[in-house]
Amino acid sequence: EAQVTQNPRYLITVTGKKLTVTCSQNMNHEYMSWYRQDPGLGLRQIYYSMNVEVTDKGDVPEGYKVSRKEKRNFPLILESPSPNQTSLYFCASSFIIQAEQYFGPGTRLTVT
Amino acid sequence: GNSVTQMEGPVTLSEEAFLTINCTYTATGYPSLFWYVQYPGEGLQLLLKATKADDKGSNKGFEATYRKETTSFHLEKGSVQVSDSAVYFCALRKNSGGGADGLTFGKGTHLIIQP
Repeated sequence: EAQVTQNPRYLITVTGKKLTVTCSQNMNHEYMSWYRQDPGLGLRQIYYSMNVEVTDKGDVPEGYKVSRKEKRNFPLILESPSPNQTSLYFCASSFIIQAEQYFGPGTRLTVT
Repeated sequence: GNSVTQMEGPVTLSEEAFLTINCTYTATGYPSLFWYVQYPGEGLQLLLKATKADDKGSNKGFEATYRKETTSFHLEKGSVQVSDSAVYFCALRKNSGGGADGLTFGKGTHLIIQP
């Protein structure tokens, strides 16, 4: 089954404790992206990747890092999480940037 | 820059009512336009899309027409069902050829259908 998976689905952590949210797709997609969803703000792009070893900032990259060492994986790294990063995070992928994006189920992160 | 404006809601309707969710956009050039739907506890799913002016996207009884003259892409359905209750996002993507822009989303419209 073609899908985008994210782990964990739910995470509660404390300020400053490094964490990684994994994202994996099994569709051989070149383009992958991370979004955060906040009430009243919709979805905003954090980072995206056009292909392996090619990443770039989206609209709200501060406090986040990403890597793309393999085509299927695109982890989101929070080196020192803060409460303002409490949000619902979605990973998405598409064959190329112009194609339909497939979204993962979301990761709900709470930073206390 | 690009932006999408949509009514935020919640929009509450009775089953079988007619639905319109307004969406207008600001973008240079000729963007592609999308409607995504998010059911409770799930990720976003593409509902329909249109890639050029006057195109009509349709799926599951929903329709939206790309109106360049009014920069709009309003979502409509003739008779809604309780199962249509969800959050609906209007989005655009620039078609700039070599551009690296992703999707720009509206804030989402929460639709509640009552039996």
